[in-house]
Amino acid sequence: DGGITQSPKYLFRKEGQNVTLSCEQNLNHDAMYWYRQDPGQGLRLIYYSQIVNDFQKGDIAEGYSVSREKKESFPLTVTSAQKNPTAFYLCASSMGQDSNQPQHFGDGTRLSIL
Amino acid sequence: AQSVTQPDIHITVSEGASLELRCNYSYGATPYLFWYVQSPGQGLQLLLKYFSGDTLVQGIKGFEAEFKRSQSSFNLRKPSVHWSDAAEYFCAVGAPYNTDKLIFGTGTRLQVFP
Repeated sequence: DGGITQSPKYLFRKEGQNVTLSCEQNLNHDAMYWYRQDPGQGLRLIYYSQIVNDFQKGDIAEGYSVSREKKESFPLTVTSAQKNPTAFYLCASSMGQDSNQPQHFGDGTRLSIL
Repeated sequence: AQSVTQPDIHITVSEGASLELRCNYSYGATPYLFWYVQSPGQGLQLLLKYFSGDTLVQGIKGFEAEFKRSQSSFNLRKPSVHWSDAAEYFCAVGAPYNTDKLIFGTGTRLQVFP
């Protein structure tokens, strides 16, 4: 079955540590996205990528970094510069621009501070 | 820039009752509109979408939504709610053929009593 796989489901970060969240898709989608979800705030876009080796900052990119070396993969690194990383992180993918296809979501990773 | 408002943070209905979840958007032209549902600890699942044409759109799980240009609204409805519909519902708006930058509402949490 085609879909988006996020791992791990739960992740804990120590102070000063960088952690990486994995996102893999086998939908052959060009575009991929990372969102942060906090209670009562909906989804906020962190980064997105429309094509391999290219990505753009979203609304809350500070303290995060991404890479897009393969079409299927879009890992997100939460750096030590992100002072409030506790949240639910969602990865999504879509056919991309010039498309009327919606975004499809993974099941998320919950990140907490130790 | 587009924006979306979901005025109701929390709605409680009895099983078998009808449901309407409100969504108002702000956009200069006719946007792309989406409703997603999220069960606890899960990702978002697309319920339905509106791009153009018939203003009443049918989705999965017996949901429908009506686009009303005059009211800038895209309310979600279901004639008879089931206990399994308890979840959080998100409305999202995007620019036509540029669904990279979806703007999500803050969500409405639906509780269903037997």
